[in-house]
Amino acid sequence: GENVEQHPSTLSVQEGDSAVIKCTYSDSASNYFPWYKQELGKRPQLIIDIRSNVGEKKDQRIAVTLNKTAKHFSLHITETQPEDSAVYFCAPQISSGSARQLTFGSGTQLTVLP
Amino acid sequence: DVKVTQSSRYLVKRTGEKVFLECVQDMDHENMFWYRQDPGLGLRLIYFSYDVKMKEKGDIPEGYSVSREKKERFSLILESASTNQTSMYLCASSPTGWQGSPGANVLTFGAGSRLTVL
Repeated sequence: GENVEQHPSTLSVQEGDSAVIKCTYSDSASNYFPWYKQELGKRPQLIIDIRSNVGEKKDQRIAVTLNKTAKHFSLHITETQPEDSAVYFCAPQISSGSARQLTFGSGTQLTVLP
Repeated sequence: DVKVTQSSRYLVKRTGEKVFLECVQDMDHENMFWYRQDPGLGLRLIYFSYDVKMKEKGDIPEGYSVSREKKERFSLILESASTNQTSMYLCASSPTGWQGSPGANVLTFGAGSRLTVL
């Protein structure tokens, strides 16, 4: 299966600063790159995703950038707020037909300090 | 509007007991997954299913089995629970879709089942 590494494992930022989380994957056939957010005690939920025909996607304060050559993609959060505090997971995969083994990164605990 | 429902939020079982964790989705998704979540280890895939009666092993299938007799229901079975299976179990589902189709590959998770094995 896919070998997925996510860095850093923990990240603390001051409110209003930016945060960047990086996900490195091994399978060059991967073509779908989502980020999930899990708030304390809640289920993971998709916050942003990108497909391999684009290099960057933005949604208000969050963005995802993709470097297929280097096999990594990153989550960018600008103007962080306390409600951004959560664990973030990446899950690169091949998007084609039926489900394949889907491997998540080990997660990044983001803490936004007021 | 809960779309993936896990039957039990909290369970306490004894070593050696048989445990059933049930998951039901109402979105007509083809794919269903069982993950285990432990601190520092992220989400680890136990089993997944891409169709009724079809199943495939994930990264950590040992000690677990699954059943998918109906499209909407995916059950995780611990034949003989052990203390090292104490964990949070998350079920998820996703639609089969081709590159770019709306919602393709997006996982919807259940609220989780926290299992304690004594």
